[in-house]
Amino acid sequence: AQSVTQPDIHITVSEGASLELRCNYSYGATPYLFWYVQSPGQGLQLLLKYFSGDTLVQGIKGFEAEFKRSQSSFNLRKPSVHWSDAAEYFCAVGGGNEKLTFGTGTRLTIIP
Amino acid sequence: NAGVMQNPRHLVRRRGQEARLRCSPMKGHSHVYWYRQLPEEGLKFMVYLQKENIIDESGMPKERFSAEFPKEGPSILRIQQVVRGDSAAYFCASSTNRDNEQFFGPGTRLTVL
Repeated sequence: AQSVTQPDIHITVSEGASLELRCNYSYGATPYLFWYVQSPGQGLQLLLKYFSGDTLVQGIKGFEAEFKRSQSSFNLRKPSVHWSDAAEYFCAVGGGNEKLTFGTGTRLTIIP
Repeated sequence: NAGVMQNPRHLVRRRGQEARLRCSPMKGHSHVYWYRQLPEEGLKFMVYLQKENIIDESGMPKERFSAEFPKEGPSILRIQQVVRGDSAAYFCASSTNRDNEQFFGPGTRLTVL
């Protein structure tokens, strides 16, 4: 069965500092991997996705993620966070046209 | 191109009533997914539909819950005889036939009193 683990429930980062959010997955075939962001009371916005090809994926808002098959990881990074990045971040795995399995999320707090 | 639309955005029901949640996918999208998000938790898959067909309902509770995606009109998630534990945000997503990028709607927040 597929699963996603986001080991960090809550992360606090200073504005301008770098960020890395961890994601580990379990999937029986080549995974499709996603990072979504959710602001309070809002829906989910796709930050980036990995289907195949280059393992370093660029997304919106300056985010990137690296797929590491050997570690079953798809960590999200940003070199310099902004106060507007404060939100909940979800990693998800799926394959083809089927359900996505989400992690439990990481809440990001930005301090001045 | 309008995004995925869900209505209502907020729904309040008393225990025992029925809740109907609607989802209009993006134009050209024939695949619809429903997810539920309980407070302080991630999203959990409920059901995957294509036009007039349920493809995967492995995440749907066996009783009281049903979903449809008719040939014409929005997809409907129906919860009969709601209980307090049904209080959650229900998200709909849609995708094309080409890949698995799912576009999410703003959600319906159901509160059961």
